Amino acid sequence: DTAVSQTPKYLVTQMGNDKSIKCEQNLGHDTMYWYKQDSKKFLKIMFSYNNKELIINETVPNRFSPKSPDKAHLNLHINSLELGDSAVYFCASSQFSNSPLHFGNGTRLTVT
Amino acid sequence: EDKVVQSPLSLVVHEGDTVTLNCSYEVTNFRSLLWYKQEKKAPTFLFMLTSSGIEKKSGRLSSILDKKELFSILNITATQTGDSAVYLCAATSLGNEKLTFGTGTRLTIIP
Repeated sequence: DTAVSQTPKYLVTQMGNDKSIKCEQNLGHDTMYWYKQDSKKFLKIMFSYNNKELIINETVPNRFSPKSPDKAHLNLHINSLELGDSAVYFCASSQFSNSPLHFGNGTRLTVT
Repeated sequence: EDKVVQSPLSLVVHEGDTVTLNCSYEVTNFRSLLWYKQEKKAPTFLFMLTSSGIEKKSGRLSSILDKKELFSILNITATQTGDSAVYLCAATSLGNEKLTFGTGTRLTIIP
């Protein structure tokens, strides 16, 4: 009964490829997020969606495109992958904007 | 730009010791400060603090916020090996959905 689930857990791919990460939450939350965690464990927000509407789009290359088909899903598509995209990507959700985040278990992306 | 700084970056103590982790923040229109524990996978929520001087407690963990001096501490008493993790501090601001995270404190408890 995972509350926030991401797939895949691991993703190894070559530079230049296009890949997607999927996220689903069964908590009934209205807000979903994508965070990137680098090798030093620094978590930085990428995107936030509230009820399928984009709320936050931080300075992320436009090779990254989030898509929210409904408020329970927020997928992340990455075009033309680069070495620097290697990181752990966390999906999260919250009930309200000031509520604690519930994180998924992360997707470890390795670009070779 | 909003900033959250945690110290120390890493800490190694013996089981049974008490530790204090620090978090300072510079956030426009500050709203709340949150603490998370991250073991191998997802960060898990510990505390959310919005008012100065009111301690929040959960078992051996406690946390307090000082909005005048712009910092928070997380205390863990009688540490156990299961407390080994990265502890993340994050701040939110009014009218903004995002959390600004610090770089974390890696805590290692030696048996």
